[in-house]
Amino acid sequence: NAGVTQTPKFQVLKTGQSMTLQCAQDMNHEYMSWYRQDPGMGLRLIHYSVGAGITDQGEVPNGYNVSRSTTEDFPLRLLSAAPSQTSVYFCASSFSNRHTRSYTFGSGTRLTVV
Amino acid sequence: GESVGLHLPTLSVQEGDNSIINCAYSNSASDYFIWYKQESGKGPQFIIDIRSNMDKRQGQRVTVLLNKTVKHLSLQIAATQPGDSAVYFCAEITSYGKLTFGQGTILTVHP
Repeated sequence: NAGVTQTPKFQVLKTGQSMTLQCAQDMNHEYMSWYRQDPGMGLRLIHYSVGAGITDQGEVPNGYNVSRSTTEDFPLRLLSAAPSQTSVYFCASSFSNRHTRSYTFGSGTRLTVV
Repeated sequence: GESVGLHLPTLSVQEGDNSIINCAYSNSASDYFIWYKQESGKGPQFIIDIRSNMDKRQGQRVTVLLNKTVKHLSLQIAATQPGDSAVYFCAEITSYGKLTFGQGTILTVHP
């Protein structure tokens, strides 16, 4: 049981390049989300998904696309990278029941756009 | 809009002291709150949670207090250790399970 796996761990892009940040979870969680964390800041929600085939925007969605074709995977796409997207990106998956809610975070992807 | 913020950005304590980290939230509809610990280069780690129908919850060396009247949340760490040094975030779960984070407090524990 690997939890939430993010790849790559580090990435450097040139302005205008595109790339996909991968996120996979093996806990059969319905809810998955992407956050970005800038220096000295908390995590801000980019996009989230409440299940396969369903996605929605968070606080800072501009410049990012997502899709959720399977329960396990939730990739984040940057179509045309900008220096403002330099950040650390965290993927999370979660479940809830009547007693508790639990979020599990990946170890992050550090992205630099030059 | 919805927001969760912290009163103090940094906190320095001596090893063995008790630490209190505070958090203010603005969304009265939030029904679940979580405290996370984040060490350098790592993702957030769950510490303790509390539902909005509770005032207090205790874990191992940690206690979370919730005051819904003033929309205030606090994390108490007993007998703080150097390994507790990290950034601590409060977060609230709002509609559809969205998790919203506060700014964070840097806790430094001096031996």
